[in-house]
Amino acid sequence: QSVLTQPPAVSGAPGHGVTISCTGSSSNIGSGYDVHWYQQRPGTAPKLLIYGNNNRPSGVPDRFSGSKSGTSASLAITGLRAEDEADYYCQSYDTSLSGLYVFGTGTKVTVL
Amino acid sequence: QVQLQESGPGLVKPSQTLSLTCTVSGASLSDGSFYWTWIRQPAGKGLEWLGRIYITGYTNYNPSLKSRVTISVDTSKNQFSLRLSSVTAADTAVYYCARGYYYDSNNYFDYWGQGSLVTVSS
Repeated sequence: QSVLTQPPAVSGAPGHGVTISCTGSSSNIGSGYDVHWYQQRPGTAPKLLIYGNNNRPSGVPDRFSGSKSGTSASLAITGLRAEDEADYYCQSYDTSLSGLYVFGTGTKVTVL
Repeated sequence: QVQLQESGPGLVKPSQTLSLTCTVSGASLSDGSFYWTWIRQPAGKGLEWLGRIYITGYTNYNPSLKSRVTISVDTSKNQFSLRLSSVTAADTAVYYCARGYYYDSNNYFDYWGQGSLVTVSS
């Protein structure tokens, strides 16, 4: 059972935006540890989307942005495109016995 | 271009040991900025961090698996390996190797292998 909670699914029409939340606790996000985000299209390996809360690796469109506040973080996707349909996972460091590096429960984004 | 490739048996019998190797190209395991990591994903489920190794041989493991998991490195081959003992059906998953960039206790995974499906079944 993950210590980072995400909504199971979100959806939006092409061109619109969605936001995915990642709720943690004082043993991870709330202690100031950074949040990273990954995109996983069906049948493929996860791909780094955001690192260090709000930084995009080279090649990731600026339609993707991240933020963090308190014990939570968010990933925003604007201008939805069909290719954004995928699973998204947050990830952080955790000081409890949950595994040192923990992933969120995952969110399925559907482009209507 | 950094590439990681998992290899190993796709079928393991219950109670036996799962062994996978990750071959890295385009980067050196000796680069001190990175930890080399194993992550798994059961079908239809989320990601689980299994453990990591640094070039010095220093390791960290997921406490839920600590007694069963071993990660090792072979710098001469630019490979690192995963061994998971006493497997059960619950260990059936796609296993990924990944490169982890480490800073201030934080760690993110910037390059991943394509994944290797391991099924535990008799």
